[in-house]
Amino acid sequence: GAGVSQSPSNKVTEKGKDVELRCDPISGHTALYWYRQSLGQGLEFLIYFQGNSAPDKSGLPSDRFSAERTGGSVSTLTIQRTQQEDSAVYLCASSFRADSGNTIYFGEGSWLTVV
Amino acid sequence: ELKVEQNPLFLSMQEGKNYTIYCNYSTTSDRLYWYRQDPGKSLESLFVLLSNGAVKQEGRLMASLDTKARLSTLHITAAVHDLSATYFCAVVFYNNDMRFGAGTRLTVKP
Repeated sequence: GAGVSQSPSNKVTEKGKDVELRCDPISGHTALYWYRQSLGQGLEFLIYFQGNSAPDKSGLPSDRFSAERTGGSVSTLTIQRTQQEDSAVYLCASSFRADSGNTIYFGEGSWLTVV
Repeated sequence: ELKVEQNPLFLSMQEGKNYTIYCNYSTTSDRLYWYRQDPGKSLESLFVLLSNGAVKQEGRLMASLDTKARLSTLHITAAVHDLSATYFCAVVFYNNDMRFGAGTRLTVKP
């Protein structure tokens, strides 16, 4: 596709349920980032993948959060036992390679509401 | 600790006026990005600054980077209503960890 694709675009879930959010980066991009943005706030770093290297998970807020990246392409962010404070927009971004000055492109985000 | 601080957080300007948004960061970096975000939308890349003294300009926006001072500025010249948005700086640190400032919500009034 032309850009970073995220799905679902909107998700309403009940507290305690698990959710999966998907990110399809731009073809050929090896770096992939997940961020969380609460309403009216800045972006909170969650996790970063570079190619097949071990991801930097330092931003994941709790052990309920996990992320995978299969085959160095598509990534899935999983939130287990969702809580109301997990409600936010989850943004995925990709770039050709992280350790260079390449432009980083963002997807449209997955808007998660936990009720 | 990896920190990125932006100021001001809120900025209300008259059309035609100039202003500067500041972005300070806590530790060494040689890559800094500026993004624009419209309400309900994702982030649009504006500038990538890669070296000390780098300056980039696009229309009424000009960004600069001083790596020694750990400071970047986004200067707005002769503001117009279309520039109303939230502007974020993002700094890439040693482990390719990219951290964002809190954002500057700019409103340009006629």
